[in-house]
Amino acid sequence: GQQVMQIPQYQHVQEGEDFTTYCNSSTTLSNIQWYKQRPGGHPVFLIQLVKSGEVKKQKRLTFQFGEAKKNSSLHITATQTTDVGTYFCAGGATSGTYKYIFGTGTRLKVLA
Amino acid sequence: ETGVTQTPRHLVMGMTNKKSLKCEQHLGHNAMYWYKQSAKKPLELMFVYSLEERVENNSVPSRFSPECPNSSHLFLHLHTLQPEDSALYLCASSQGQGSDEQYFGPGTRLTVT
Repeated sequence: GQQVMQIPQYQHVQEGEDFTTYCNSSTTLSNIQWYKQRPGGHPVFLIQLVKSGEVKKQKRLTFQFGEAKKNSSLHITATQTTDVGTYFCAGGATSGTYKYIFGTGTRLKVLA
Repeated sequence: ETGVTQTPRHLVMGMTNKKSLKCEQHLGHNAMYWYKQSAKKPLELMFVYSLEERVENNSVPSRFSPECPNSSHLFLHLHTLQPEDSALYLCASSQGQGSDEQYFGPGTRLTVT
């Protein structure tokens, strides 16, 4: 079945350093979503990417969808302590699907 | 955020008990979801309802029984659970069609003893 792998599992960075998490699907995706879950909290939607090669930015966050629509990345520039949490990607296999396969997540710690 | 609420927030139950988890969304969405989040495992989709009709059932054991009486409410009925069912159970809702962003509730932390 479809699998979505995320690396790294954990990342500790010094405040001000950059951070990147990578998401890889075993199958071609229709779209990909990214969520953030703060410690003790619930996942919160960040963004959705649909087009091959798409790049979207939200302030210090840059999201990319690979040309083959099988991988994606989230890059944070100049991390802040508020960026702490676990970042999940979620892949949708088909357009209009309700069924998203979540990645294992990358837990980010930012050291002040 | 009060768009999606879940009760109870914490639940401890024995393996022979019967309990129910409740989810309510105040966003006017038409689709609702149950997910299971265990430590060191990805979020697992359990069930999806769209307009009160079940559209996804992800091979979930029959000891978990969902109910969606209307588009605002979703229940998960639990009976004869196993200790490995201990996890955070998250409810989510989305606008109506697939490929929409999902809004998650705070979750119910379930411990089966």
